[in-house]
Amino acid sequence: EPEVTQTPSHQVTQMGQEVILRCVPISNHLYFYWYRQILGQKVEFLVSFYNNEISEKSEIFDDQFSVERPDGSNFTLKIRSTKLEDSAMYFCASSGSSGAVDTQYFGPGTRLTVL
Amino acid sequence: AQSVAQPEDQVNVAEGNPLTVKCTYSVSGNPYLFWYVQYPNRGLQFLLKYITGDNLVKGSYGFEAEFNKSQTSFHLKKPSALVSDSALYFCAVREREKGNKLVFGAGTILRVKS
Repeated sequence: EPEVTQTPSHQVTQMGQEVILRCVPISNHLYFYWYRQILGQKVEFLVSFYNNEISEKSEIFDDQFSVERPDGSNFTLKIRSTKLEDSAMYFCASSGSSGAVDTQYFGPGTRLTVL
Repeated sequence: AQSVAQPEDQVNVAEGNPLTVKCTYSVSGNPYLFWYVQYPNRGLQFLLKYITGDNLVKGSYGFEAEFNKSQTSFHLKKPSALVSDSALYFCAVREREKGNKLVFGAGTILRVKS
């Protein structure tokens, strides 16, 4: 069964450093998402991406965040200058379309620790 | 704004007994509703969804959920719990015609004891 994969599983970085989290969505999917979960808190939507552009973003997704689909398979989340409060589990998801019946399938997550 | 409430942090049930994990939602329009499960060190796995039609939805691993519009609820149920059902369960809502983002509840830990 196709699945979303994410690398690395755990990323440790120093405050102020740039990080790139990588995802490989399900191959025939068209919509891609990033969510995050700060320890002990809810899973929160960050951004959705379709047709090589952001289709929706949350208030959390400020100028330090960016997303890219550099090739036909990868979908990345870049955090330019990490802050302590960026420490969280980051989940990538994909779906086939924005249709009413569509389901978002999630990857296993990348745990980001900012020191 | 959309919101989801899962009023129980944890649900404990004996193996073989029926289980219910509660979820209520708030949206201004019509909802799409989802349940996901998370096992330790794993991602969110899709269980089931309500889009339209029959209020009782059946999903993976014997789980089902009932959409109740008047009570704005979407409780997850299973007639006979297994120890392997022990995990963290998330309810999520997406509002129709307002984009694709999912809004999640805080999650409920289900513990099934043998």
